[in-house]
Amino acid sequence: ETGVTQSPTHLIKTRGQQVTLRCSSQSGHNTVSWYQQALGQGPQFIFQYYREEENGRGNFPPRFSGLQFPNYSSELNVNALELDDSALYLCASRSGGAPADTQYFGPGTRLTVL
Amino acid sequence: QKEVEQNSGPLSVPEGAIASLNCTYSDRGSQSFFWYRQYSGKSPELIMSIYSNGDKEDGRFTAQLNKASQYVSLLIRDSQPSDSATYLCALASGRAARQLTFGSGTQLTVLP
Repeated sequence: ETGVTQSPTHLIKTRGQQVTLRCSSQSGHNTVSWYQQALGQGPQFIFQYYREEENGRGNFPPRFSGLQFPNYSSELNVNALELDDSALYLCASRSGGAPADTQYFGPGTRLTVL
Repeated sequence: QKEVEQNSGPLSVPEGAIASLNCTYSDRGSQSFFWYRQYSGKSPELIMSIYSNGDKEDGRFTAQLNKASQYVSLLIRDSQPSDSATYLCALASGRAARQLTFGSGTQLTVLP
């Protein structure tokens, strides 16, 4: 157990819908990163939030957006869902300034788009 | 060319054997490299970090880094059935090297 929690565990949506995924970071961690992991692939970096500001983004379209709250929990929002958005969505938290390998992954949310 | 390349496998080894997992990367400026283990349906967990050329040992695991050849490997000695998982090679990238870039993973099965 890493102390990072995500909800929901599983989610089924249809194409064109919108979805919100949630992440609670480990106590003391003010940085949250989101990753998308398609079946049979490694995780791909979506974006990172530090103290409520986005401070890094991967190669994902604007319909992927996020928020970080004062308690450092975070949301990932995906609009206009496409079939290819079906994946495991992982969040990871760490302390700001800490190196990349100190981040802890949550259990993930499995999103299926039909 | 992908930034991080791994043989997708699957790789099967008998119990007690050495499992060898390999990874190459394209960015010569990369400084930090990691191996994650991911059991089916679970999230990745860090098993090794390596920053300098050479070998780094931790229990049954040895990570090897060769920056000149842009090559990272992971050796698992005395493989156990519980080592059966997907192994992900990753490097730190992006602004201040705070994000991880992963390979597609190698699926390892250790046969009893």
